[in-house]
Amino acid sequence: QVQLQESGPGLVKPSETLSLTCTVSGDFVNSPTYYWSWIRQPPGRALEWIAYIYDSGSINYSSSLKSRVTISVDTSKNHFSLKLNSVTAADTALYYCAALYKWRREFEFWGQGTLVTVSS
Amino acid sequence: QSVLTQPPSASGTPGQRVTISCSGSSSNIGRNTVNWYQQLPGTAPKLLMYSNNQRPSGVPDRFSGSTSGTSASLAISGLQSEDEADYYCAAWDDSLNGHVFGTGTKVTVL
Repeated sequence: QVQLQESGPGLVKPSETLSLTCTVSGDFVNSPTYYWSWIRQPPGRALEWIAYIYDSGSINYSSSLKSRVTISVDTSKNHFSLKLNSVTAADTALYYCAALYKWRREFEFWGQGTLVTVSS
Repeated sequence: QSVLTQPPSASGTPGQRVTISCSGSSSNIGRNTVNWYQQLPGTAPKLLMYSNNQRPSGVPDRFSGSTSGTSASLAISGLQSEDEADYYCAAWDDSLNGHVFGTGTKVTVL
C-alpha cells in the first residue's frame, strides 16, 4: 500500500513560485510500477492533471502549464516535488500528489491534498 | 480545461439506479481506457473503477462501468446515502500527450 503526503507553504504571493513536496512511503520513487503525479483542484471545480515523473527522470507535463511547471524527484529522500512559477490567483487550488499505476494508467493512490492560496 | 464532458448533477432516491455519462473524443476515450474516481465531501478522490469496468478491491458491485465509442458511463444501482459524492471520469489523451479529467458530476441522494 503506497501512502503519499504533500507538504509546502499554504500561501504564496502573486508572481512568486509555488513549491510542494510529496513524500512517498510503501514504495520507492524509482519504482518501475508508478508514475509520480501532481493534480490540482481549484475550489469548487474539477480535477486538473499537472505532470508526472517516472523511471527517475522521464517527465510529462500538461500542455497548458508546461511553460511554468517543473517536476523532479529525490531518490535519497524518497520524495518528488512540484514547482510552479509566476503564480496568479488562478493557481489557487488543492494540490494532490498521486501514484499512477504504469500498466493501466489509473491514479491508484492519492495524498490527502494541500490547499495553496495565491494572495498578497 | 476539462476535455471530458459530464453532466453537472445527477440524483435519485435510495435504491434507485443512477447513470453518469462521460463524453470524450477519438484521442482519449476512443483509444484509451477510462477510469472513474469518487470524491466524498472534503476528501481526496478515490479510485472507483479502472480499465473501463474493473472495480478495485473493496468497491461494491453496485458500481459498474462501460464504454461505447467515444463515451463512457458509470452506473450506480441500489443507490445509498453514502454514494453522495462527486464523480470524475479520466483517460489518457493521445493528442494532448497527457491525462484528462471529466468536468465532474455531483450525485445527490434524495
